[in-house]
Amino acid sequence: DAGVTQSPTHLIKTRGQQVTLRCSPISGHKSVSWYQQVLGQGPQFIFQYYEKEERGRGNFPDRFSARQFPNYSSELNVNALLLGDSALYLCASRLGDSYYGYTFGSGTRLTVV
Amino acid sequence: DQQVKQNSPSLSVQEGRISILNCDYTNSMFDYFLWYKKYPAEGPTFLISISSIKDKNEDGRFTVFLNKSAKHLSLHIVPSQPGDSAVYFCAASGTVGHDMRFGAGTRLTVKP
Repeated sequence: DAGVTQSPTHLIKTRGQQVTLRCSPISGHKSVSWYQQVLGQGPQFIFQYYEKEERGRGNFPDRFSARQFPNYSSELNVNALLLGDSALYLCASRLGDSYYGYTFGSGTRLTVV
Repeated sequence: DQQVKQNSPSLSVQEGRISILNCDYTNSMFDYFLWYKKYPAEGPTFLISISSIKDKNEDGRFTVFLNKSAKHLSLHIVPSQPGDSAVYFCAASGTVGHDMRFGAGTRLTVKP
């Protein structure tokens, strides 16, 4: 029974480049959220999608964008990478449109050099 | 703005004793609170939650207490076990937006 899967697990990018992170939710889960966790801090909300529509956006610049596909998988895109974008990016999925039952993936560790 | 605060970055307890992890929040619109546990190289794992209409929720060795007037919640682990050693995050959510706000985490170390 697969959980939330994220790819890649690790990534090194140069400042100014663009990156795409991918997330496959648990089968049947229609809601996907993205979080950024900087070292020493808690996860910070970036985006929430439900049934392919954006339902919420955190306090992140427009360089961050996301989308959800018909199979409910999701991508997070970050343009014009800054050193400060180095973080663990977490994807979480849940069955419906409520705050119960979030399940997190293991994350993608992004390093910007 | 830090709406959820965990003021203790670390806590060390002896195996078998009680672990008490604390969390404070500032937004009175929060009505659902969760605790997550995180091991290195893994995503956060849901531990226990509480709705604002309750003041206590128990699940085995884990109990969460909510004091709405003080905007404070705590997680009690009794008895603590070495396998409980992890980073514990407090999270809160409101009815609008459905996103969770997390605290900075408390690293719990349970010594044998």
